Amino acid sequence: KQEVTQIPAALSVPEGENLVLNCSFTDSAIYNLQWFRQDPGKGLTSLLLIQSSQREQTSGRLNASLDKSSGRSTLYIAASQPGDSATYLCAVTGLQTGANNLFFGTGTRLTVIP
Amino acid sequence: KAGVTQTPRYLIKTRGQQVTLSCSPISGHRSVSWYQQTPGQGLQFLFEYFSETQRNKGNFPGRFSGRQFSNSRSEMNVSTLELGDSALYLCASSPAGTSYEQYFGPGTRLTVT
Repeated sequence: KQEVTQIPAALSVPEGENLVLNCSFTDSAIYNLQWFRQDPGKGLTSLLLIQSSQREQTSGRLNASLDKSSGRSTLYIAASQPGDSATYLCAVTGLQTGANNLFFGTGTRLTVIP
Repeated sequence: KAGVTQTPRYLIKTRGQQVTLSCSPISGHRSVSWYQQTPGQGLQFLFEYFSETQRNKGNFPGRFSGRQFSNSRSEMNVSTLELGDSALYLCASSPAGTSYEQYFGPGTRLTVT
């Protein structure tokens, strides 16, 4: 069964710092990997989607990389802002389990201190 | 385009009752998936519907069921509610059959007392 782990579970940084969130998964037979953010009590907002054939994706201050063979992804956030404070979740879809069945990590709770 | 909408947003039910939650996907999206989020188990996949057919199912008891209508709107039903069913229920839609980005709704917060 696919297992997704995110480290660290929580992270607190001062405004302006660059930071990296980590995600690892046990089964490399994936369709894609998606990064989301979730604000308290809210739904998920999609940040970046990386197909299994891609190595990275960028959107604004965010850059996500994927190393499928080692089962790892990182989300890089440049010049962090207080508005980036949220829980960040990574999720993968597996070739065996279906392209729309997301397996989620437990998330990293990010706090950016003004 | 309007996003994914879910109704109701909040619900309080008593143990043993049943509940129906509704999800309207983004216009043109044909796949709808449902997830349960709890503090203890995190986000877990319930099932996916595509073109009115259940295409995939997670590891949940038969008390959890769903359906999809011809306009792609979906409902999920939980019968004989248990305290452990208290959770945030999220639905997500994606534009076609496979491997597309999923867009989530705001969720329905279900509390079972």
